Parts: sequence; structure tokens; C-alpha cells
Amino acid sequence: NAGVMQNPRHLVRRRGQEARLRCSPMKGHSHVYWYRQLPEEGLKFMVYLQKENIIDESGMPKERFSAEFPKEGPSILRIQQVVRGDSAAYFCASSPRTGTSGNTIYFGEGSWLTVV
Amino acid sequence: AQRVTQPEKLLSVFKGAPVELKCNYSYSGSPELFWYVQYSRQRLQLLLRHISRESIKGFTADLNKGETSFHLKKPFAQEEDSAMYYCALSQLETSGSRLTFGEGTQLTVNP
Repeated sequence: NAGVMQNPRHLVRRRGQEARLRCSPMKGHSHVYWYRQLPEEGLKFMVYLQKENIIDESGMPKERFSAEFPKEGPSILRIQQVVRGDSAAYFCASSPRTGTSGNTIYFGEGSWLTVV
Repeated sequence: AQRVTQPEKLLSVFKGAPVELKCNYSYSGSPELFWYVQYSRQRLQLLLRHISRESIKGFTADLNKGETSFHLKKPFAQEEDSAMYYCALSQLETSGSRLTFGEGTQLTVNP
């Protein structure tokens, strides 16, 4: 099992460009979570998705950010018209199911976005 | 609303000394608590969870519901323990396995 795979690991974008971050969950996992880690800060929840459904996007900024988890392929976190404040590490995590006590989520290695 | 507080952003100890990383939480439901460790610019790794009551790398943590705490302890710190440590709470009743993290404590173990 390859674990949660994220790419790219590092991404540089100019202000105003779009950033796309991809996440392939662990094999057998159907739940994906995105977290953002700003410099010198902890991890903040952004969005929770299941296949073809957004379950909880309460942590997503209202504008420019979107996420999807299609039936086939990886989950995508998309940031349009990036600004310097979007520079952060974006971590994806996955879990096999929900509502089960003792469930564990596993993290990817993160994607570091730098906006210049 | 759920909240996880790690009061110390930085903690420095000498090798062989005991270490305790503090974590307090507030949550109206029945919490599930975790500790994650992040070595420099790497993925977060699960260190331990309160329901399994296991010890990993010599670390232990006990859930104290009266004090709403889940402090991480190790009797003899090692240099390789230097890392960022995050306490997290799982909100099983609301949104899958969504985790709420504390701000993290950067532990430095000096030789």
C-alpha cells in the first residue's frame, strides 16, 4: 500500500495564476480530507469529501478555493487567482470509513505552494 | 464548539530528561484524542490514540476527562524526538473522521 500520495510536492505560482493540488487516497479509502498549514501555524481543516460528494466544506475560504473527488481519479484542490497569503503546505488525508470509533486517518506528505 | 489547545509553542529539554507536552480540549460530545508527530517538512504520522492505550517510541498519553486533558509524556527524551507534535480531536458525531488540531508544540531535545 503506497499510502496517501500527493503531487506536486512543491509548486510555485505567480499571483493570479491557478494552483491544482492532487491527492490519491490510500487503497480502499473512500474519504478524503484537506488541511492547510500556514507558516508558523497549526493545521486547519478545509474540506471533507467522499466520492463525488462534498460532505463538509466549512473550512474552505468562500472564494477562489474548490475541491472535488471524482468517481475516477484523485481528489483535486483548486485555488484560482492565487495570492501571496495562499502560500502554505496543503495536506491531504484519507480514511477507510466514517462513524467508527477508533478510525484513523492517514496523511500524505503535503504539497508546498509558494506564490511569488 | 470543539477546540484543542496546546499552550506551549516551543519546548526545549535535554537528552535524558522527562518531557511533557500539554494538550487541553473542549468538546461537548465524547472525544477521541490523538497525538501526531511531524518531522521536518514531512507527513504527519500518528503517534498514538487514546483508545488504544499503547505506547509508541516510549511516549504515553492518558485521557483525563475531568481535566479535559490529553498530555503527552516520555520519561527520557532522545534527540531524535525533536519534531513538531500536534494534539488532535476527532469529531466522530459530526463529520466523518475530521480532526481538529491544536497549534502544535515544537519539541527540541538538546544533547
